[in-house]
Amino acid sequence: EDQVTQSPEALRLQEGESSSLNCSYTVSGLRGLFWYRQDPGKGPEFLFTLYSAGEEKEKERLKATLTKKESFLHITAPKPEDSATYLCAVQAPIKAAGNKLTFGGGTRVLVKP
Amino acid sequence: NAGVTQTPKFQVLKTGQSMTLQCAQDMNHEYMSWYRQDPGMGLRLIHYSVGAGITDQGEVPNGYNVSRSTTEDFPLRLLSAAPSQTSVYFCASSYSSPGRAAKFSPLHFGNGTRLTVT
Repeated sequence: EDQVTQSPEALRLQEGESSSLNCSYTVSGLRGLFWYRQDPGKGPEFLFTLYSAGEEKEKERLKATLTKKESFLHITAPKPEDSATYLCAVQAPIKAAGNKLTFGGGTRVLVKP
Repeated sequence: NAGVTQTPKFQVLKTGQSMTLQCAQDMNHEYMSWYRQDPGMGLRLIHYSVGAGITDQGEVPNGYNVSRSTTEDFPLRLLSAAPSQTSVYFCASSYSSPGRAAKFSPLHFGNGTRLTVT
């Protein structure tokens, strides 16, 4: 059974204080690992997909990296608008299962000015 | 292009009542799915569909029914609501690229339906 664990559950940062979020996963054959951002009262919004260990993706102040057992979301010099819940998910290994994702519990990030 | 539209946004039900949560997408995505989100438990898959006429169960299907008569619509039915079904429900869709190395596009989510069962 696929499992995804995110840490920490919550993170309070000062504006400009860089930090990293962790996503540990157990899956029998990774097809893809996804990062999403979720704002209060909204649906998750896609950020990145990573497919193989060593891969990195960047978007503005966010950078996602992937190893064989975990992924990190690095937030560099965050701004208050980066405050959100960040979700990590892994894709089901069986292609016939379609696009089933198993999600972690998320990390709530609050960036204070 | 509206993306994924969910209705209603909020709903209160009494125990035992039934209702249908609506989900429609205008992106011609063949894959659609329903998740519920509860505090501390993340998003959990209820049902999914890989195309019109094809549905399957996810992680937490009990108490819910789905059907997929068209590509655009994927309604979720609560047969007899229970307080344990109080949650936020999200519908999502995606497509797959053609070919042997086909990959799915990222899930595109609606903004959810907040359901309270008393």
